[in-house]
Amino acid sequence: DVKVTQSSRYLVKRTGEKVFLECVQDMDHENMFWYRQDPGLGLRLIYFSYDVKMKEKGDIPEGYSVSREKKERFSLILESASTNQTSMYLCASRQSTDTQYFGPGTRLTVL
Amino acid sequence: QKEVEQNSGPLSVPEGAIASLNCTYSDRGSQSFFWYRQYSGKSPELIMFIYSNGDKEDGRFTAQLNKASQYVSLLIRDSQPSDSATYLCAMERRDSNYQLIWGAGTKLIIKP
Repeated sequence: DVKVTQSSRYLVKRTGEKVFLECVQDMDHENMFWYRQDPGLGLRLIYFSYDVKMKEKGDIPEGYSVSREKKERFSLILESASTNQTSMYLCASRQSTDTQYFGPGTRLTVL
Repeated sequence: QKEVEQNSGPLSVPEGAIASLNCTYSDRGSQSFFWYRQYSGKSPELIMFIYSNGDKEDGRFTAQLNKASQYVSLLIRDSQPSDSATYLCAMERRDSNYQLIWGAGTKLIIKP
């Protein structure tokens, strides 16, 4: 059974803190994605990676960075968290044109 | 204009009726189309995908694609209260590095 896991379901951080969100997939997928989802705005792509150490910016990369040192793991980093980064963060993975699978999501609140 | 447009709803349908969800897109180069269901507080899960013009059926679900008119629909027959969720439409463009472009979703409510 396919699985995408995220390090936390809920996270509360303070403004200015560095935040790490981790995502692990066990399907040997090449492609991994980080989205944020906000009411009325749908899913917005932050970054994606199509191979180890490879990354590309999505639609809203400002304030975020990513790391992919191993194929199964894709990390999202908020260098200095701000209140407008309060959101639901969803990780996903996909192998070429196959189904895209999502992790359970991390609801991040920045105070 | 957004690349993928959906009516945000909510769309209210009586139990047992057919729910019809629609999605329009602007890029004629789009190749593949996906319908995901997302329950409140949960992550999206795939219902169906469709590549070719016409209808594709899977149980109570039928996806319809019309590339000439640039729309894709999802029909849910014999709607159940458990179908109440937000339905997300996504498309994949050629040469997009397997990125999906997402609509904002339609909230569906099935009334018992």
